[in-house]
Amino acid sequence: QVQLVQSGAEVKNPGSSVKVSCKASGGTFTSYAVSWVRQAPGQGLEWMGRLIPIFGLANYAQTFKGRVTITADESMNTAYMELSSLTYEDTAIYYCARAIFGVVNYFDYWGQGTLITVSS
Amino acid sequence: SYELTQPLSVSVSPGQTASITCSGDKLGDKSASWYQQRPGQSPVLVIYEDNKRPSGIPERFSGSNSENTATLTISGTQALDEADYYCQVWDPPSWVFGGGTKLTVL
Repeated sequence: QVQLVQSGAEVKNPGSSVKVSCKASGGTFTSYAVSWVRQAPGQGLEWMGRLIPIFGLANYAQTFKGRVTITADESMNTAYMELSSLTYEDTAIYYCARAIFGVVNYFDYWGQGTLITVSS
Repeated sequence: SYELTQPLSVSVSPGQTASITCSGDKLGDKSASWYQQRPGQSPVLVIYEDNKRPSGIPERFSGSNSENTATLTISGTQALDEADYYCQVWDPPSWVFGGGTKLTVL
């Protein structure tokens, strides 16, 4: 059974950056994509971007372009999402998800979520 | 950019059938997925490729997708099905989520 285990909650100051990790156990990111999705308090799911580690290919939602970077350490089965220039509106739960891609596309496993609070 | 529209809420009585719709331009030409999110939990895949159920998802969950509407149907709805449900499609190079539907079982 694949599990995605994310790093813990953080409180960040406005203008700073945050880096969240997502470690896969019982499986790998090889041959899959890893995506990041965020959910602001009381709101819906918002896709941020994805990385296909085997190709080294990343693409990001227009909303986050220039502020988000998704990377992976395949040897550690770990993916990372870094978000910069934080504002109060970035307060949210951030999820990683393993994604099937190609002819069909969907997220088969999700992490437990990481709460990022932006506060001064 | 591509948009998916879902009703904000759907109510159903226990044991009855709940239908949650997801609308988008020529959505039937794409492959739709559905996720269930119970309060305080991560989303869980319940339907992929329009109508396929992952292992462990009860048979009462089914899906369809035609023309401009994808539908998630829950037959014999149970109290534990009360949750938020999100549709999703791949619209290259982005994934797109619907706004979510709160299913209330009362």
